[in-house]
Amino acid sequence: EVQLVESGGGLVKPGGSLRLSCAVSGLTFRDTWMTWVRQAAGRGLEYIGRIKSEANGGTADYTAPVTGRFTISRDDSKSAIYLQMNSLKAEDSAVYYCTKDVAYTGGGALEYWGQGTLVTVSS
Amino acid sequence: EIVMTQSPGTLSASAGETATLSCRASQSVNSNLVWYQQKPGQIPRLVMYGASTRATGVPARFSGSGSGTDFALTISSLQSEDFAVYFCQQYNNWPYSFGQGTKLEIK
Repeated sequence: EVQLVESGGGLVKPGGSLRLSCAVSGLTFRDTWMTWVRQAAGRGLEYIGRIKSEANGGTADYTAPVTGRFTISRDDSKSAIYLQMNSLKAEDSAVYYCTKDVAYTGGGALEYWGQGTLVTVSS
Repeated sequence: EIVMTQSPGTLSASAGETATLSCRASQSVNSNLVWYQQKPGQIPRLVMYGASTRATGVPARFSGSGSGTDFALTISSLQSEDFAVYFCQQYNNWPYSFGQGTKLEIK
């Protein structure tokens, strides 16, 4: 059974930093592209970024709202991905989901989701 | 960035009826289109990908159609568990993008 478990959310002041983690089990992690998606309360879904498998370069791509502030990384030895969030703003407040796609969809069709971790940016 | 627009915002239907939800892309996404279902307090569930391929465990009453810029998710013989918010999303061009959602509610 595939499981994704996020951790690290919490309350942080504007301008602060937070690091989210996602532990993955039940699949061959090194071959997997992983994605972070967020959802503000009562709002829709928003892509944050994806990280490719090491075989595909292990690089990350980001969306405009977070480019330059957020960094996605992976540790295949721990079957985990991370989201380092800096210079946080109130509009970054959301539930953050770690997700895994259907194979060969480039992080597109998100088949597995963690339960999410809540990030609140407020003074 | 490709903008995804869903219509209607809210669709009211009765159990047993057929509901058709629409999604339009601001430019062609070929068949790289996904539908998700989300119920209150729950995580999104993948329903359809590749525009017309049902995800694992999704009942056959769900069908997807379209390619290019116009897509539809059709749910026939609506069941009580189908009433939820549905999001479309393109994965043809990075950055991938979601529609704003359609709420399917009980009439």
